[in-house]
Amino acid sequence: GAVVSQHPSRVICKSGTSVKIECRSLDFQATTMFWYRQFPKKSLMLMATSNEGSKATYEQGVEKDKFLINHASLTLSTLTVTSAHPEDSSFYICSAPGLAGTRGEQYFGPGTRLTVT
Amino acid sequence: AQSVSQHNHHVILSEAASLELGCNYSYGGTVNLFWYVQYPGQHLQLLLKYFSGDPLVKGIKGFEAEFIKSKFSFNLRKPSVQWSDTAEYFCALGGGGNKLTFGTGTQLKVEL
Repeated sequence: GAVVSQHPSRVICKSGTSVKIECRSLDFQATTMFWYRQFPKKSLMLMATSNEGSKATYEQGVEKDKFLINHASLTLSTLTVTSAHPEDSSFYICSAPGLAGTRGEQYFGPGTRLTVT
Repeated sequence: AQSVSQHNHHVILSEAASLELGCNYSYGGTVNLFWYVQYPGQHLQLLLKYFSGDPLVKGIKGFEAEFIKSKFSFNLRKPSVQWSDTAEYFCALGGGGNKLTFGTGTQLKVEL
């Protein structure tokens, strides 16, 4: 099946700094990728849809200036958490849709654990 | 707006017991429903999916789910669980733009 990777798997940063998380589709091209945030004991919440060659689409309530998304190529999307604060500590997961016609099926990366101190 | 609810947050079973995890959804359009599983330390993987046709869907590792339109439900079942089924299970609803709406997840622990 399709493989999605994320880097880094864990990152600790100081409050006020920025952190970049990479999401790559390893054996297929993805014009769209999704970024989720997973809170402890809670669901995955969709943050934004990353679109290759155009601006990301953010879900309601997600600060686009804080969570910068860049879909640099057909295999890479990045999420930058700017001016990080302890409340941004979370598990961030990216995904890419399956082949055309799979209607919502997604392939998920392993996630990135961000801790802001 | 679409939503998914999973009422069982934590389930503990003994090996060989039968499993049923509840999932209810709210959506006015055509539904695409999924169950994803997240084993400890691993990424989310697709367990099974329903798009149309036979409402009883069979997935990997002996799991199945039944779509009951009148009840807005898509419950996950397995006749006999194994210790290796210990994981977190997420029900998800596919909407427009390939987006997924997830339930809160059910943590299943299978004891030997």
